[in-house]
Amino acid sequence: GAVVSQHPSRVICKSGTSVKIECRSLDFQATTMFWYRQFPKKSLMLMATSNEGSKATYEQGVEKDKFLINHASLTLSTLTVTSAHPEDSSFYICSARLGTYEQYFGPGTRLTVT
Amino acid sequence: DQQVKQNSPSLSVQEGRISILNCDYTNSMFDYFLWYKKYPAEGPTFLISISSIKDKNEDGRFTVFLNKSAKHLSLHIVPSQPGDSAVYFCAASGTLQGAQKLVFGQGTRLTINP
Repeated sequence: GAVVSQHPSRVICKSGTSVKIECRSLDFQATTMFWYRQFPKKSLMLMATSNEGSKATYEQGVEKDKFLINHASLTLSTLTVTSAHPEDSSFYICSARLGTYEQYFGPGTRLTVT
Repeated sequence: DQQVKQNSPSLSVQEGRISILNCDYTNSMFDYFLWYKKYPAEGPTFLISISSIKDKNEDGRFTVFLNKSAKHLSLHIVPSQPGDSAVYFCAASGTLQGAQKLVFGQGTRLTINP
């Protein structure tokens, strides 16, 4: 149980374009999902908390107009990187919360902006 | 301000021996702690957790110990197996800026030598 999928697993896009990443909880409903970013050999940095049916909450320093989050259903959250630049290249990971504390993570999406 | 610290970036252990991974935290508001295992280019996998009201939790080969007075937790893996080779992240859960969030340590790369 507690499986989270992410799509796509890898994406290459050109600078200036937008790319959407989907995060799905496959066998449970999640009112809260999270989006993280991991830089090479670094820890996971929380970008935003995605709340079903309401606006996402962004961490300090994360541009909400650049990283658009939509959580339209209890099993799906999407992250859209708008007007991507090479510095947005990273490993993006989503998670879904089950219960009060535990988060289950998706497999991650490697974004490369050329 | 690193609220969760894993001071050992790497650890090498002989197969069959005990692996001990350490984690320190600074925020006394954290009330739940989790350990995740991560392979390259994959999302973290939940391993084991512990509530702040306990000092030990065991699940098969994995045991987590919590010392609240020292703000320290550790993960023991015994016996260690080659498949345990991965990066291990500890995470602390607490209400930060009005929302329940996980804060991750930097990770410890565990290598099990045959």
